Amino acid sequence: AQSVAQPEDQVNVAEGNPLTVKCTYSVSGNPYLFWYVQYPNRGLQFLLKYITGDNLVKGSYGFEAEFNKSQTSFHLKKPSALVSDSALYFCAVSQGGGGFKTIFGAGTRLFVKA
Amino acid sequence: ETGVTQSPTHLIKTRGQQVTLRCSSQSGHNTVSWYQQALGQGPQFIFQYYREEENGRGNFPPRFSGLQFPNYSSELNVNALELDDSALYLCASSLAGGGRAQYFGPGTRLTVL
Repeated sequence: AQSVAQPEDQVNVAEGNPLTVKCTYSVSGNPYLFWYVQYPNRGLQFLLKYITGDNLVKGSYGFEAEFNKSQTSFHLKKPSALVSDSALYFCAVSQGGGGFKTIFGAGTRLFVKA
Repeated sequence: ETGVTQSPTHLIKTRGQQVTLRCSSQSGHNTVSWYQQALGQGPQFIFQYYREEENGRGNFPPRFSGLQFPNYSSELNVNALELDDSALYLCASSLAGGGRAQYFGPGTRLTVL
């Protein structure tokens, strides 16, 4: 069965510092991995995805994520955090090969302090 | 390009009633998925529609049903409402095929009393 774990309920970082939001997954076969962000009173927004190829994928707003097959992880990173990055971040996985079901993690709240 | 829209924004029902939620997909998208997001949790997959047929379903009972129309808009129907059905219901549209990014609407907040 597919599953996603986001081990941290909240991540606190100072503005200008690098940030990492962690995600591990379990899926049979090759995974499709996603990160979404949810701002207050707004819908989820797509940030980036990994399908195949280069393990480091770049997305919107300067975010990137690294796929690690051996550790079954897909951590979200940004070299320099902004206060405006404060939001709720969700990792999601679907099964490769046309799988329709997307499983979301419980979410990690990122708080960037000025 | 029109984004995903959902109606209504908020809804209050009583236990045992039925509810219909509506979603208009983003222009050009032919696949719609519905999710339930309880407070403090991630979205839970309910089902997906493609070409007006259910293309897959999560662990939700049959009282959760849906429709997709020729213009790719969609409805989520919930019968015999229970208190635990209180949640934010999200609609997401995408192109068909695995690995596609989904584009979410703002959601409908359902409260069951």
